[in-house]
Amino acid sequence: QKEVEQNSGPLSVPEGAIASLNCTYSDRGSQSFFWYRQYSGKSPELIMSIYSNGDKEDGRFTAQLNKASQYVSLLIRDSQPSDSATYLCAVNEDQGAQKLVFGQGTRLTINP
Amino acid sequence: DTGVSQDPRHKITKRGQNVTFRCDPISEHNRLYWYRQTLGQGPEFLTYFQNEAQLEKSRLLSDRFSAERPKGSFSTLEIQRTEQGDSAMYLCASSGRTQYFGPGTRLLVL
Repeated sequence: QKEVEQNSGPLSVPEGAIASLNCTYSDRGSQSFFWYRQYSGKSPELIMSIYSNGDKEDGRFTAQLNKASQYVSLLIRDSQPSDSATYLCAVNEDQGAQKLVFGQGTRLTINP
Repeated sequence: DTGVSQDPRHKITKRGQNVTFRCDPISEHNRLYWYRQTLGQGPEFLTYFQNEAQLEKSRLLSDRFSAERPKGSFSTLEIQRTEQGDSAMYLCASSGRTQYFGPGTRLLVL
Protein backbone atom coordinates (compact mmCIF):
# COMPACT_ATOMS: atom_id res chain seq x y z
CA GLN A 1 0.00 0.00 0.00
CA LYS A 2 1.37 3.38 -1.02
CA GLU A 3 1.68 5.58 2.04
CA VAL A 4 2.41 9.13 3.05
CA GLU A 5 3.57 9.62 6.61
CA GLN A 6 3.48 12.77 8.69
CA ASN A 7 3.98 13.41 12.38
CA SER A 8 0.49 14.26 13.60
CA GLY A 9 1.82 16.71 16.17
CA PRO A 10 0.74 18.94 17.68
CA LEU A 11 3.78 21.04 16.77
CA SER A 12 4.06 24.20 18.81
CA VAL A 13 6.26 27.06 17.58
CA PRO A 14 6.69 30.58 18.97
CA GLU A 15 5.58 33.50 16.84
CA GLY A 16 8.34 34.70 14.53
CA ALA A 17 10.22 31.39 14.56
CA ILE A 18 10.61 28.87 11.73
CA ALA A 19 8.14 26.00 11.63
CA SER A 20 9.42 22.82 10.00
CA LEU A 21 6.98 20.19 8.78
CA ASN A 22 8.10 16.85 7.43
CA CYS A 23 6.64 14.12 5.24
CA THR A 24 7.90 10.79 3.88
CA TYR A 25 6.36 8.75 1.12
CA SER A 26 6.65 5.13 0.09
CA ASP A 27 6.22 5.19 -3.71
CA ARG A 28 9.64 5.88 -5.22
CA GLY A 29 8.02 6.61 -8.58
CA SER A 30 6.05 9.61 -7.29
CA GLN A 31 6.69 12.77 -9.24
CA SER A 32 4.46 15.52 -7.82
CA PHE A 33 4.18 16.72 -4.26
CA PHE A 34 1.88 19.20 -2.60
CA TRP A 35 1.34 20.94 0.70
CA TYR A 36 -2.18 21.92 1.69
CA ARG A 37 -3.22 23.97 4.70
CA GLN A 38 -6.49 23.13 6.42
CA TYR A 39 -8.11 25.30 9.06
CA SER A 40 -10.47 23.59 11.47
CA GLY A 41 -13.80 22.87 9.82
CA LYS A 42 -12.61 24.08 6.41
CA SER A 43 -11.41 22.33 3.27
CA PRO A 44 -7.75 21.96 2.23
CA GLU A 45 -6.15 24.99 0.60
CA LEU A 46 -3.16 24.55 -1.71
CA ILE A 47 0.00 26.27 -0.45
CA MET A 48 2.86 24.81 -2.47
CA SER A 49 3.58 22.31 -5.18
CA ILE A 50 7.02 20.89 -5.92
CA TYR A 51 8.14 18.59 -8.71
CA SER A 52 11.95 18.67 -8.72
CA ASN A 53 14.62 17.92 -6.14
CA GLY A 54 15.72 20.95 -4.17
CA ASP A 55 14.00 23.96 -2.69
CA LYS A 56 11.09 26.03 -3.93
CA GLU A 57 10.30 29.31 -2.21
CA ASP A 58 7.06 31.29 -2.19
CA GLY A 59 6.95 34.17 0.23
CA ARG A 60 7.39 32.85 3.76
CA PHE A 61 7.01 29.24 2.59
CA THR A 62 9.77 26.95 1.32
CA ALA A 63 9.13 23.42 0.12
CA GLN A 64 12.04 21.00 -0.01
CA LEU A 65 12.10 17.72 -1.94
CA ASN A 66 14.61 14.89 -1.74
CA LYS A 67 13.49 12.05 -3.99
CA ALA A 68 16.41 9.81 -3.07
CA SER A 69 15.34 9.92 0.57
CA GLN A 70 11.63 10.04 -0.34
CA TYR A 71 11.26 13.09 1.84
CA VAL A 72 9.33 16.35 1.48
CA SER A 73 9.34 19.23 3.92
CA LEU A 74 7.71 22.60 4.36
CA LEU A 75 9.37 25.48 6.16
CA ILE A 76 7.36 28.47 7.33
CA ARG A 77 9.51 31.48 8.17
CA ASP A 78 8.43 34.28 10.52
CA SER A 79 5.52 32.15 11.77
CA GLN A 80 2.32 34.03 12.50
CA PRO A 81 -0.65 32.99 14.68
CA SER A 82 -2.69 32.85 11.46
CA ASP A 83 -0.44 29.98 10.32
CA SER A 84 -1.98 27.78 13.04
CA ALA A 85 -3.69 25.00 11.11
CA THR A 86 -3.26 21.40 10.02
CA TYR A 87 -0.79 20.95 7.17
CA LEU A 88 -1.40 18.08 4.80
CA CYS A 89 1.29 16.54 2.64
CA ALA A 90 -0.04 15.01 -0.58
CA VAL A 91 1.70 12.88 -3.17
CA ASN A 92 0.51 12.25 -6.72
CA GLU A 93 0.69 8.46 -6.90
CA ASP A 94 -0.53 8.11 -10.48
CA GLN A 95 0.71 10.54 -13.09
CA GLY A 96 -2.17 9.65 -15.39
CA ALA A 97 -5.05 9.91 -12.93
CA GLN A 98 -3.29 12.45 -10.70
CA LYS A 99 -4.82 10.82 -7.64
CA LEU A 100 -3.51 12.35 -4.45
CA VAL A 101 -2.51 10.28 -1.45
CA PHE A 102 -2.55 12.37 1.71
CA GLY A 103 -0.76 12.05 4.99
CA GLN A 104 -2.82 12.39 8.14
CA GLY A 105 -1.66 15.97 8.60
CA THR A 106 0.44 17.81 11.16
CA ARG A 107 -1.37 20.17 13.51
CA LEU A 108 0.67 23.34 13.92
CA THR A 109 0.12 25.91 16.65
CA ILE A 110 1.91 29.27 16.61
CA ASN A 111 2.13 30.77 20.07
CA PRO A 112 2.03 34.60 20.32
CA ASP B 1 -12.70 30.88 -2.76
CA THR B 2 -11.14 28.38 -5.20
CA GLY B 3 -14.02 28.52 -7.68
CA VAL B 4 -15.17 25.00 -6.79
CA SER B 5 -18.59 24.95 -5.15
CA GLN B 6 -20.38 22.19 -3.28
CA ASP B 7 -23.95 21.85 -2.13
CA PRO B 8 -25.20 21.34 0.49
CA ARG B 9 -22.51 22.41 2.95
CA HIS B 10 -24.05 20.38 5.76
CA LYS B 11 -26.38 17.40 5.75
CA ILE B 12 -27.89 15.55 8.69
CA THR B 13 -29.76 12.38 7.86
CA LYS B 14 -31.05 9.27 9.52
CA ARG B 15 -29.48 5.89 8.98
CA GLY B 16 -30.96 4.18 5.97
CA GLN B 17 -31.83 7.34 4.07
CA ASN B 18 -30.35 8.28 0.72
CA VAL B 19 -28.37 11.50 0.26
CA THR B 20 -27.01 13.29 -2.81
CA PHE B 21 -24.27 15.88 -2.97
CA ARG B 22 -23.41 18.20 -5.84
CA CYS B 23 -20.08 19.64 -6.98
CA ASP B 24 -19.54 22.39 -9.54
CA PRO B 25 -15.89 22.48 -10.65
CA ILE B 26 -13.81 25.29 -12.09
CA SER B 27 -15.24 25.63 -15.59
CA GLU B 28 -12.03 25.09 -17.56
CA HIS B 29 -10.99 21.99 -15.56
CA ASN B 30 -11.85 18.67 -17.15
CA ARG B 31 -10.88 16.50 -14.17
CA LEU B 32 -13.05 16.20 -11.09
CA TYR B 33 -12.30 14.20 -7.94
CA TRP B 34 -14.23 13.10 -4.89
CA TYR B 35 -12.50 12.49 -1.56
CA ARG B 36 -13.74 11.62 1.89
CA GLN B 37 -12.18 12.95 5.08
CA THR B 38 -12.84 11.75 8.61
CA LEU B 39 -11.76 13.51 11.77
CA GLY B 40 -8.01 13.52 12.30
CA GLN B 41 -7.24 11.96 8.92
CA GLY B 42 -6.20 13.25 5.56
CA PRO B 43 -8.62 13.08 2.63
CA GLU B 44 -9.00 9.65 0.98
CA PHE B 45 -9.59 9.29 -2.74
CA LEU B 46 -13.00 7.95 -3.76
CA THR B 47 -13.35 8.44 -7.52
CA TYR B 48 -12.50 10.72 -10.40
CA PHE B 49 -13.84 11.84 -13.76
CA GLN B 50 -12.20 13.09 -16.87
CA ASN B 51 -14.94 15.00 -18.62
CA GLU B 52 -18.01 12.77 -18.30
CA ALA B 53 -16.10 9.48 -18.00
CA GLN B 54 -15.63 7.96 -14.55
CA LEU B 55 -12.14 6.51 -14.89
CA GLU B 56 -11.40 5.08 -11.47
CA LYS B 57 -13.16 4.14 -8.26
CA SER B 58 -11.52 3.35 -4.94
CA ARG B 59 -12.40 0.15 -3.18
CA LEU B 60 -13.60 2.49 -0.43
CA LEU B 61 -16.54 3.23 -2.72
CA SER B 62 -18.97 0.45 -1.86
CA ASP B 63 -21.95 -0.38 -4.06
CA ARG B 64 -24.04 2.02 -1.97
CA PHE B 65 -22.08 4.92 -3.48
CA SER B 66 -22.56 6.18 -7.00
CA ALA B 67 -21.16 9.20 -8.75
CA GLU B 68 -22.03 10.82 -12.04
CA ARG B 69 -20.84 13.71 -14.12
CA PRO B 70 -23.35 14.21 -16.91
CA LYS B 71 -22.08 16.31 -19.82
CA GLY B 72 -18.72 16.71 -18.11
CA SER B 73 -19.83 19.66 -16.02
CA PHE B 74 -21.13 19.32 -12.45
CA SER B 75 -20.95 16.03 -10.58
CA THR B 76 -23.18 14.30 -8.07
CA LEU B 77 -22.28 11.77 -5.39
CA GLU B 78 -25.12 9.67 -4.04
CA ILE B 79 -25.01 7.48 -0.97
CA GLN B 80 -27.83 5.00 -0.63
CA ARG B 81 -28.94 3.42 2.65
CA THR B 82 -26.61 5.60 4.69
CA GLU B 83 -24.77 4.12 7.66
CA GLN B 84 -23.26 5.87 10.67
CA GLY B 85 -19.81 5.08 9.28
CA ASP B 86 -20.57 7.29 6.30
CA SER B 87 -20.38 10.37 8.54
CA ALA B 88 -17.50 12.41 7.15
CA MET B 89 -16.60 15.47 5.12
CA TYR B 90 -17.03 14.80 1.41
CA LEU B 91 -14.67 16.91 -0.65
CA CYS B 92 -14.74 17.65 -4.34
CA ALA B 93 -11.68 18.88 -6.21
CA SER B 94 -11.17 19.98 -9.76
CA SER B 95 -7.87 19.91 -11.55
CA GLY B 96 -5.79 21.34 -14.24
CA ARG B 97 -2.24 20.47 -13.10
CA THR B 98 -3.07 20.89 -9.42
CA GLN B 99 -6.19 20.07 -7.47
CA TYR B 100 -8.31 22.79 -5.89
CA PHE B 101 -10.85 21.78 -3.31
CA GLY B 102 -14.37 22.98 -2.78
CA PRO B 103 -15.66 23.82 0.69
CA GLY B 104 -16.88 20.27 1.29
CA THR B 105 -20.14 18.74 2.42
CA ARG B 106 -20.20 17.64 6.02
CA LEU B 107 -22.45 14.58 6.45
CA LEU B 108 -23.77 13.38 9.79
CA VAL B 109 -25.69 10.12 9.85
CA LEU B 110 -27.73 9.61 13.02
